[in-house]
Amino acid sequence: DTGVSQNPRHKITKRGQNVTFRCDPISEHNRLYWYRQTLGQGPEFLTYFQNEAQLEKSRLLSDRFSAERPKGSFSTLEIQRTEQGDSAMYLCASSLGGLTSEQYFGPGTRLTVT
Amino acid sequence: GESVGLHLPTLSVQEGDNSIINCAYSNSASDYFIWYKQESGKGPQFIIDIRSNMDKRQGQRVTVLLNKTVKHLSLQIAATQPGDSAVYFCAENRGDSSYKLIFGSGTRLLVRP
Repeated sequence: DTGVSQNPRHKITKRGQNVTFRCDPISEHNRLYWYRQTLGQGPEFLTYFQNEAQLEKSRLLSDRFSAERPKGSFSTLEIQRTEQGDSAMYLCASSLGGLTSEQYFGPGTRLTVT
Repeated sequence: GESVGLHLPTLSVQEGDNSIINCAYSNSASDYFIWYKQESGKGPQFIIDIRSNMDKRQGQRVTVLLNKTVKHLSLQIAATQPGDSAVYFCAENRGDSSYKLIFGSGTRLLVRP
């Protein structure tokens, strides 16, 4: 257990529905990252926060995706109008910041869109 | 638990032998590299990291070697144990301000008892 928690662990939804995931980082970590991982692939960067500011978004993050970190602590990732291609593991990581600051990953939320 | 990767390159080793997992990276500007271990149903777990101003770093039973000339990274695991069975990813930071990680495609390590 790295200290990063994610909820729910699994989510099954029907195409077109909205889903929201939550990440609670390690408490003193000011950087928070979201990644997406599909079977057989390494995690792909989606977005990151420095405290409450969202500073970078990948082009993988379509307009249907939105992430927030309102108080610089926990973060949410919402997917609107889900599509089958959104099925993946959504991973959250946190770090203290700085080049060599290790990113600690949570267990992920497995999304299945039917 | 779920399988992290069904069609990954696989390295099969005998328990007690040494394992070497290789990774190639593409960006000369990358200046920080990490090896992660991912077990089925879990998030990636940090193993060891190395900065580009080093060519070797050792941890407990693990060694990472960095060859910047050919953009190659390797992870050596000494005396491989059944608990080492997992998928291993190398990740690089390309020197940008976000410190986001770019992951390789992964290698599955199977340890035979």
